Amino acid sequence: QSALTQPASVSGSPGQSITISCTGTTSDDGGYDYVSWYQQYPGKAPKLMIYDVSNRPSGVSTRFSGSKSGNTASLTISGLQAEDEAYYYCSSYTSTSLFGGGTKLTVL
Amino acid sequence: QVQLVESGGGLVKPGGSLRLSCAASGFTFSDYYMSWIRQAPGKGLEWVSYISTSGSTIHYADSVKGRFTISRDSAKRSLYLQMNSLSAEDTAVYYCARDCGGDCYGAFDLWGQGTMVTVSS
Repeated sequence: QSALTQPASVSGSPGQSITISCTGTTSDDGGYDYVSWYQQYPGKAPKLMIYDVSNRPSGVSTRFSGSKSGNTASLTISGLQAEDEAYYYCSSYTSTSLFGGGTKLTVL
Repeated sequence: QVQLVESGGGLVKPGGSLRLSCAASGFTFSDYYMSWIRQAPGKGLEWVSYISTSGSTIHYADSVKGRFTISRDSAKRSLYLQMNSLSAEDTAVYYCARDCGGDCYGAFDLWGQGTMVTVSS
């Protein structure tokens, strides 16, 4: 079974850019192309930030962007703000969904 | 108001059963695939199950297969999760989530507030 690996934590200063990676083992059907990213504050429900690798839902800041190269997807947050401090989860979809372990973003 | 509201969580003994419900409002429930996703205390998200618009396609995570049953009632605009043979490993906040649909694949654009399930003797 495929697994998605994220760094446990990343950090950055206000105004900087950070990138969170999401690496998946290749499945029998050739890997994943449907990657989404979620932001979660403690005690709150997750919020969709990116879908289909690089698309932003309406209302999500343009500071959030997604990309994918080979078997690794990435979430980049530019112009880091204090309110971005949260947990971030990647997810992939083939015929079922799978989440990464999550990354805690600390804004220094 | 577009929202999902879960209910039915609580404390249950190992081996017991529980049925979760999720009430949808503010959108055409019957147009969307729906999922259950859980989060154990202090842990990450785990997808549990999804059901298609008609209910004809259902998938489960291996960890719950054979014990959990997902269902939906479009007339009641509700999603359900019947959980049997519960163990401590099933202790988690259970979220109901809407699949974004259209040209958006396998992403969840609307979440409920979650309902806590605790399995303990």
